[in-house]
Amino acid sequence: KQEVTQIPAALSVPEGENLVLNCSFTDSAIYNLQWFRQDPGKGLTSLLLIQSSQREQTSGRLNASLDKSSGRSTLYIAASQPGDSATYLCAVQRVNSGGYQKVTFGTGTKLQVIP
Amino acid sequence: DTGVSQNPRHKITKRGQNVTFRCDPISEHNRLYWYRQTLGQGPEFLTYFQNEAQLEKSRLLSDRFSAERPKGSFSTLEIQRTEQGDSAMYLCASSLAKDSIFYEQYFGPGTRLTVT
Repeated sequence: KQEVTQIPAALSVPEGENLVLNCSFTDSAIYNLQWFRQDPGKGLTSLLLIQSSQREQTSGRLNASLDKSSGRSTLYIAASQPGDSATYLCAVQRVNSGGYQKVTFGTGTKLQVIP
Repeated sequence: DTGVSQNPRHKITKRGQNVTFRCDPISEHNRLYWYRQTLGQGPEFLTYFQNEAQLEKSRLLSDRFSAERPKGSFSTLEIQRTEQGDSAMYLCASSLAKDSIFYEQYFGPGTRLTVT
């Protein structure tokens, strides 16, 4: 069974700092990994998707990396801003023995950027 | 098309009542997913559809839960005889799956269910 862990559960940083969020998964046979942000009481907003054949993806101040062999992904946020405050979730997708898509989310890292 | 929409946004019901939620995916997306999220947790997968076919159901989806996507467009999730433990945010997502490649999932705003 795939397990996805995100550490730390919460993080508080001053505005302007660069930061790294971590996502670990136990089954390296994944199709892709997707990072999301979630604001309180809202749905999820997609940030980046990394296919299993890729090592990293970039979008603006965000950079996500994937190391399948070690079961790890990181989300790097450059020059953090108060508007980045949210919960960040990673989700891994794989195909099970029956050929069906399986999606497993981590529990998230709650980020607070202090002005 | 402005994204995935869900209705209602909030639902308060008494224990034992039935509720139905609706999800309208992004129109060109062939896959539709339902998740449940409780406070402080990540979303938990419930079920998903490829067009109108329901391909996988989580063991979380008890007999009281049923989902349909009759014409491969919108989907409904029904919970019968609701229990207090059903209180959660129910999230819908859609994506495109083509040639064994799974693309990004896009989520709706969710339906928050409170069972009293």
